[in-house]
Amino acid sequence: NAGVTQTPKFHILKIGQSMTLQCTQDMNHNYMYWYRQDPGMGLKLIYYSVGAGITDKGEVPNGYNVSRSTTEDFPLRLELAAPSQTSVYFCASSKPGLAGGRGEQFFGPGTRLTVL
Amino acid sequence: AQTVTQSQPEMSVQEAETVTLSCTYDTSESDYYLFWYKQPPSRQMILVIRQEAYKQQNATENRFSVNFQKAAKSFSLKISDSQLGDAAMYFCAYRSLNRDDKIIFGKGTRLHILP
Repeated sequence: NAGVTQTPKFHILKIGQSMTLQCTQDMNHNYMYWYRQDPGMGLKLIYYSVGAGITDKGEVPNGYNVSRSTTEDFPLRLELAAPSQTSVYFCASSKPGLAGGRGEQFFGPGTRLTVL
Repeated sequence: AQTVTQSQPEMSVQEAETVTLSCTYDTSESDYYLFWYKQPPSRQMILVIRQEAYKQQNATENRFSVNFQKAAKSFSLKISDSQLGDAAMYFCAYRSLNRDDKIIFGKGTRLHILP
């Protein structure tokens, strides 16, 4: 049981390039999330999904896109990268809050992205 | 809208001493979860402790315990016998239990452990 995995761990992108951050979970969680964390700051929600085929914007969606074709995968696409997108990106998953259980999110190890 | 406030951006504690991190939240809901997550220098987010709002008893996990005051909307984390490995950023989080199912994080408290 690997939990939430993210690739790559590190990446340097040039301004204007595009790339996809991969996220996979093997816990059969309906809910998945993408956050960004700037240095010394908290988490900001970019996008989330409550199930395959359903995605919704968080508080900072501009410059990003997501898709959710399977329960397991939730890739984050950066189009036309800008220096302001330099950050650490975390993927997380959880059961729905009302599904019972412990309610917490499970986080991947993060991707450190630098845009130069 | 729900909010989570951590009023202490940084704190320091001597090794083996006890420290309390503060968290207050605002909500009109009666059922919800509260969490404390730890983020060490490795950046991995680790669940420290959780509390269900309907439970009056404060949660405890080894050296970590909470003081949950529902009426005051306060959820502080107490770390006893602080160890060097406790040095990290600590985030308080709220999870709504309605259909909205929002998860709100505080801005975090950086905890330094002094040897």
